[in-house]
Order: sequence, then structure tokens, then C-alpha cells
Amino acid sequence: KAGVTQTPRYLIKTRGQQVTLSCSPISGHRSVSWYQQTPGQGLQFLFEYFSETQRNKGNFPGRFSGRQFSNSRSEMNVSTLELGDSALYLCASSLESGRTDTQYFGPGTRLTVL
Amino acid sequence: KNQVEQSPQSLIILEGKNCTLQCNYTVSPFSNLRWYKQDTGRGPVSLTIMTFSENTKSNGRYTATLDADTKQSSLHITASQLSDSASYICVVSAKGGSYIPTFGRGTSLIVHP
Repeated sequence: KAGVTQTPRYLIKTRGQQVTLSCSPISGHRSVSWYQQTPGQGLQFLFEYFSETQRNKGNFPGRFSGRQFSNSRSEMNVSTLELGDSALYLCASSLESGRTDTQYFGPGTRLTVL
Repeated sequence: KNQVEQSPQSLIILEGKNCTLQCNYTVSPFSNLRWYKQDTGRGPVSLTIMTFSENTKSNGRYTATLDADTKQSSLHITASQLSDSASYICVVSAKGGSYIPTFGRGTSLIVHP
């Protein structure tokens, strides 16, 4: 079975721009969660999607948004980029629930904001 | 406020030796505790998931313990290998309400030959 894939792997943007990251979960997995990882804050939960609906959301500003498609693929969008948004963005898929099921992480997208 | 504290921050051991990593949490009400291994530049890999009723769970040379009364967990690595060099992250989830997992800052383990 193919693992979780994320595209692109690396991205460089400038302040004020917006960015869209993509995540393809493991086949059959319906839950997709997104995380931000920085050296200063560590790993932080952004949101979880299940059956095209946002089920849970972390403490991030509204500039961070996401969506999930009918095939469970997910995208996250960050608008009006700030320098502090530079981070590794990870997505993880699980069968039904990010809270209780094993999560499988993708390799991440490294975003650099200049 | 929900918090997860891991210790030590970093650890250096010789190949073949055992080591134990600690995780203390204040998350309540408790749902589950996970240990992840994250190699540099890669996504975390799940090692164990433990619920309230589980005291011990093993995954090969990795054994996690949980004491829900004292809100402490440990990850014991037996007969360490060079490939064990990584960051080990403890994550605790609360029961009910909105699901927002609380992450520890991780323990960086270096195994020397």
C-alpha cells in the first residue's frame, strides 16, 4: 500500500503571498489531519478532516484553512503569509479518527517564507 | 492548561545500551498517549498508542509504560542501534470535546557506535 504523499516537498514564498499544500492519504483512510512543526513551537495541530468536513480545529488564525475532497485527498491553504509561517507542514491519515486510530504521517512540505 | 513535558531533552548513548525516555502530562480527561519516532527530515512514525487501561505496550525493542495515576509514561529502548538515532515525541489526547492533541517537545537521541 502506498504511504501518505505530500506535494510539493519544498516551497519558497514571500510575505503576503498565499500557498496551497496537498496531501493524499493512504487508500481507504478517511481522516486527514494537518500539523505545523517549527523549532520554536514543536508540533502543533492545525485541523482534522473527515468525510469532507472539518471535524476539529487547533488554535491557529483564520489565515489557515483546509478542505477535503470526496476521494479523501486534502489541501490546506495559508493566506497572507508571514515570516513565522515558515515551517514543516505535515499531514497524517488514519482510518476513521485522528484521536483514536494510528496516524500515518507523510514526509511533509517544507515552507520557507522570505 | 494541558501540557506534556519530556525528559531528557537530549541523550547520547553507545550502541547496544538500553535507555529510558520520560513523558509527564497534565492532559485531562485522558484519552490516549502515543509515542512517535521522527528521523531528521521525515514525518513521525507511530511506535505505540496506549489508553487508560493499558500499563505496557511493546513494539519490537520499544516498550512503553503508562501510569495514569501519576500521569507519567516512559519509553524504554532495548539494545539500541544506530538507526534509533532520532527524536522521540510523546503526544497526549483528551477525551470528549474538541480533539486537539498536546505534543511534547521531544527527546533527541543519538546512538554512537
